Amino acid sequence: EAAVTQSPRNKVTVTGGNVTLSCRQTNSHNYMYWYRQDTGHGLRLIHYSYGAGNLQIGDVPDGYKATRTTQEDFFLLLELASPSQTSLYFCASRDGSINNQAPLFGEGTRLSVL
Amino acid sequence: GDSVTQTEGQVALSEEDFLTIHCNYSASGYPALFWYVQYPGEGPQFLFRASRDKEKGSSRGFEATYDKGTTSFHLRKASVQESDSAVYYCALGTGGYKVVFGSGTRLLVSP
Repeated sequence: EAAVTQSPRNKVTVTGGNVTLSCRQTNSHNYMYWYRQDTGHGLRLIHYSYGAGNLQIGDVPDGYKATRTTQEDFFLLLELASPSQTSLYFCASRDGSINNQAPLFGEGTRLSVL
Repeated sequence: GDSVTQTEGQVALSEEDFLTIHCNYSASGYPALFWYVQYPGEGPQFLFRASRDKEKGSSRGFEATYDKGTTSFHLRKASVQESDSAVYYCALGTGGYKVVFGSGTRLLVSP
């Protein structure tokens, strides 16, 4: 069954802390995405990738890095976390060879930066 | 750039009421249009899509018709249930990497 798995599900850190959010997909999809979700803003794209070693900048990339180590694994890095990065983060994947396929989402990671 | 507008931030209904959630888009050509549903504590789940003018998408009693003339893809359901309470997102894809989401509409259905 197609799946996108995120870890951890919840994370608390302090301002200036270093955080890594993990995402693994078992769908053989080439595209992977990181979104943040905030009340009133919906889902905003942070970074995306179309394959291992590839990284593309999304719409709200400031303060975030990402790395795609394999076809399956995509990581979001916050090296100096700030309270403005407190949010709900979603990873998604899709098959870019299928025109306009809808992305498949994980369950989310809730991050609090104190 | 491409965008999706959902005008209602929240909709409150009673069971068996008729539902309409409005979605308008701005994009060139013929984008694919999607509806997602998100329940508390879960990620957005794909409901259905449409990719050409006058095409109807449907799932779980929900439906929407692609209207290029009014650039709309309004979500409708004839009779809502309490279990339909969730956040609904309209989104579009333009054939490249990007899928653009609206700001979401929270549906509250009371028994």
